[in-house]
Amino acid sequence: EAGVAQSPRYKIIEKRQSVAFWCNPISGHATLYWYQQILGQGPKLLIQFQNNGVVDDSQLPKDRFSAERLKGVDSTLKIQPAKLEDSAVYLCASRQGPEQYFGPGTRLTVT
Amino acid sequence: QKEVEQNSGPLSVPEGAIASLNCTYSDRGSQSFFWYRQYSGKSPELIMSIYSNGDKEDGRFTAQLNKASQYVSLLIRDSQPSDSATYLCAVDGGDYKLSFGAGTTVTVRA
Repeated sequence: EAGVAQSPRYKIIEKRQSVAFWCNPISGHATLYWYQQILGQGPKLLIQFQNNGVVDDSQLPKDRFSAERLKGVDSTLKIQPAKLEDSAVYLCASRQGPEQYFGPGTRLTVT
Repeated sequence: QKEVEQNSGPLSVPEGAIASLNCTYSDRGSQSFFWYRQYSGKSPELIMSIYSNGDKEDGRFTAQLNKASQYVSLLIRDSQPSDSATYLCAVDGGDYKLSFGAGTTVTVRA
């Protein structure tokens, strides 16, 4: 069974630029999550989707972050404009039962 | 977000020894508990899940849960150099949203 796919794996941008990340969950997994992991910290939930609907986006900085999952399968997370403090690994996960499985992540560096 | 605290580490153990990792959580209503292993530069990998009080063993790993004390632990027996990683404790408050601790870094000395 293929795992969670993410792209790109690495991205370097300047502050105030925009960036987008893509995620394809494990086949059949209806719930998809985006997490932000800053170096030295545990992952922090940004947004949770159930099929193509948002379940929880309470921790998503909506002035600059947006996410969508239009067809209930793959998802994109966008940051516009980026700030230096957005430098982190952005992890996508999908859920089967109570267990969540992570993709390889996208390492974002904002200079 | 609900609080999850892990012993700060880093934890250094000799090869073949037992590594003991601890985690406490603030939400008494939490139902599901997970341990993830994260190698440097990699994403978290689920290694153990536990849902009821007591011990759960899987190979060299044992997870222990005490809901009354709001405490969950992970024991790694016969530690190997390949166990050197950061271990993340994650707690589900019953809504399929995970709160993570900051992780404990384990180094196994050959």
